[in-house]
Formats: sequence, structure tokens, C-alpha cells
Amino acid sequence: AQSVAQPEDQVNVAEGNPLTVKCTYSVSGNPYLFWYVQYPNRGLQFLLKYITGDNLVKGSYGFEAEFNKSQTSFHLKKPSALVSDSALYFCAVRGRGTAGNKLTFGGGTRVLVKP
Amino acid sequence: GAGVSQSPSNKVTEKGKDVELRCDPISGHTALYWYRQRLGQGLEFLIYFQGNSAPDKSGLPSDRFSAERTGGSVSTLTIQRTQQEDSAVYLCASSLIAGGPDEQFFGPGTRLTVL
Repeated sequence: AQSVAQPEDQVNVAEGNPLTVKCTYSVSGNPYLFWYVQYPNRGLQFLLKYITGDNLVKGSYGFEAEFNKSQTSFHLKKPSALVSDSALYFCAVRGRGTAGNKLTFGGGTRVLVKP
Repeated sequence: GAGVSQSPSNKVTEKGKDVELRCDPISGHTALYWYRQRLGQGLEFLIYFQGNSAPDKSGLPSDRFSAERTGGSVSTLTIQRTQQEDSAVYLCASSLIAGGPDEQFFGPGTRLTVL
């Protein structure tokens, strides 16, 4: 079975400081990995994904994530956080092959960026 | 272009009543997913449809829950004899195909409140 862990329920950061949201996963074989963001009373918006190749993936709104196979991690990062980045962030994993149609989400991490 | 739409945006019902939630996926997307998000929690997979294949119903929590997808497009999630624990936001998503590296595009959700 595949699973995702987001160990921090909430991350607080000052505006302009680096932001990191942690994610570790468990899946058979090589994963597809995704980050989504959810603003209040909105659906989820896709940020970025890892398929293969370069371990550093760049996405929307200045976010990036680093795939680390040995640590089974896919941490989300932003060099300089904005107040508008305050939202709920979800990491998700999907395995490959016929058993890999479902996307499994982590429990989410709330990010609060303070001015 | 048009994204995933869901209706109604909010639904308040009495315990024991049946409800129907509707999802209009992005045109051309063959895969459609339903998730449940309880307050402050992550996404719980319910069911997905891929083209004309039999749906994967493995996430449905009880036989009170069912879903249909007519003509490979619009989907309806039906909850019979609603219970208070069914109160949640129900999210629909679509993707080009199920599985693989394709990201899912989410609708804004339907907030269901069972009194």
C-alpha cells in the first residue's frame, strides 16, 4: 500500500524567509509525486510534480521540490515566502503500473506566513 | 478554459435524507475522481472512473454511497440516508487519464452539512 506522511501540521515563517514543507512517502517501485495547495474555501490547485529525471522540480508561484530517493522524501521549498503563500499544502504519491491509478494524499500542512 | 465544476456549492440536509452531488469534469478528461475532506483533515479517496472501464469503488465508506458517470462525462455522487458523520467537503477531480504522471484538476467542492 502507498502512503504519504507530512510530519508537521503547521509551519510558521516570516515573510521573506525560506519556506520548507516536509513530505515522505512509501510506495512500491518508483513514484510519481505531487504537491497541491488549497486556499480557504477553494479546491486544490496543482503546484508541481516529479516524474523522472532531475531531482529538483520547479513549479508554480516560485515553489520547487527536491526528490530524494534514498530518504523517500519530496520536500516543498520556496526561497522567500510571501504572506499570500499562507494556505494548506498537500503532498501526494502515485505508484506506477496498473496498481498506480490512485493518488494518495498526506494529511496536509498549514503554512502561515507572517508579515 | 473551463475547469472542473461542482454543484451545489453548499448543501444542508437533514439526517436520513438522500443527497446528490454533481461534478462536471474538464472536457476531454477520461478519468474522474471523488474525494471526501473532513474539516481540518486530508483527502479521503472515494471512487474513480476511467473511460468505460468499471469504476474503482474501493474507497466508498458504506453501501449508502454510490456514484455514476453518464456518457463518460458528468458524474453524480449519491449519499443515501445521510448521517451526521457524512458532513464534509466532497471534492471532484479529473485528469486526462487515470494513473501515470498526469496531475488531477480539482473542482471547488460541495460542502455537505447533515443536521
